[in-house]
Amino acid sequence: GAGVSQSPSNKVTEKGKDVELRCDPISGHTALYWYRQSLGQGLEFLIYFQGNSAPDKSGLPSDRFSAERTGGSVSTLTIQRTQQEDSAVYLCASSLGGLVFTDTQYFGPGTRLTVL
Amino acid sequence: GEDVEQSLFLSVREGDSSVINCTYTDSSSTYLYWYKQEPGAGLQLLTYIFSNMDMKQDQRLTVLLNKKDKHLSLRIADTQTGDSAIYFCAEIPSSNTGKLIFGQGTTLQVKP
Repeated sequence: GAGVSQSPSNKVTEKGKDVELRCDPISGHTALYWYRQSLGQGLEFLIYFQGNSAPDKSGLPSDRFSAERTGGSVSTLTIQRTQQEDSAVYLCASSLGGLVFTDTQYFGPGTRLTVL
Repeated sequence: GEDVEQSLFLSVREGDSSVINCTYTDSSSTYLYWYKQEPGAGLQLLTYIFSNMDMKQDQRLTVLLNKKDKHLSLRIADTQTGDSAIYFCAEIPSSNTGKLIFGQGTTLQVKP
């Protein structure tokens, strides 16, 4: 596609349920990033993929959070046993890759997660 | 450490200049960025500046970098109502694992 797409755009779930958020990066982009945007914490980095491997997953807040990427393309962020503090907008970005400082990250519109 | 700070809110009149300020702590940051977020939309890269530059101009946008004080600013000339958005400054820290460290964002309100 022309840009980064994410699905669903909105997700409402009950506390304790598992959720999966999907990101489709720009075709040909080897690097993929997940960030979280919440009122209290601002924009936080979660995890970075280069191809299918994740050299930096330092931002994942707990072991309830995991992410995978398959085929060097689509990525899924999974949150198990959701808590109310997980409510946030989850943003995905992709870039050409290569750890170059000018490697522009292009962001998707985000998934708004609400945990009741 | 890695920390980026911004003021939270700025209100200007249409046609005036807007100046959004940002401070950062990683003196080894090589590139600094400005992103714009409109309501309900993702982040859009506006511009970036390399740390060996003092200034970069791109149409109505001027970025000033004071590396000694670790201070970055974004000036928008002739601000329009369509410029109303949240503006984030960001850095890639010297560890360069690719992640962006964002400030809290400055909400720019442009009054007609």
